[in-house]
Amino acid sequence: KQEVTQIPAALSVPEGENLVLNCSFTDSAIYNLQWFRQDPGKGLTSLLLIQSSQREQTSGRLNASLDKSSGRSTLYIAASQPGDSATYLCAVQNAGNMLTFGGGTRLMVKP
Amino acid sequence: DAGVIQSPRHEVTEMGQEVTLRCKPISGHNSLFWYRQTMMRGLELLIYFNNNVPIDDSGMPEDRFSAKMPNASFSTLKIQPSEPRDSAVYFCASKVEGASGYTFGSGTRLTVV
Repeated sequence: KQEVTQIPAALSVPEGENLVLNCSFTDSAIYNLQWFRQDPGKGLTSLLLIQSSQREQTSGRLNASLDKSSGRSTLYIAASQPGDSATYLCAVQNAGNMLTFGGGTRLMVKP
Repeated sequence: DAGVIQSPRHEVTEMGQEVTLRCKPISGHNSLFWYRQTMMRGLELLIYFNNNVPIDDSGMPEDRFSAKMPNASFSTLKIQPSEPRDSAVYFCASKVEGASGYTFGSGTRLTVV
């Protein structure tokens, strides 16, 4: 059974810092990995999707990497802003079309 | 595209009542998923459909929960009878079958008192 772990569970940084969120998974036979953002009381917004054949994806200040063999992904946020404050969720898709989520990292960026 | 549409956004009901949550997936997406999110357990998959057919319902907690997808543009998740421990946010998501990404709806926040 796939297990996804995110570290740290919570992170507080001053505005402008570059930061890295970590995600690890136990079963490397994945189809893809997706990073989501969730604001309090809101739904999930997809940030980046990395296919199993890819090493990284970039969108603006966000960069996600994937090392399938070691079961790891990182989400890099450059020049963090208070508007980046949210919970970031990592999710992996295995065979069978199912998505397994990590517990999330709650990020607070202080002005 | 309006995205995945869920209704209602909020539902407050008394224990023992029937609750029906609704979802309209993105047009052209042939896979639909129901998830439940709680503080204690995070996001859990309840059931998913491919081409309107239930594929895996092993996450459905009890017989009180049932889900249907009568056509490609509509799905329901029903709880009967509801209990306070069912209080959670219920998300619907859709995707194209295969290695494409998921799109989530805004969720239904259910409170059973």
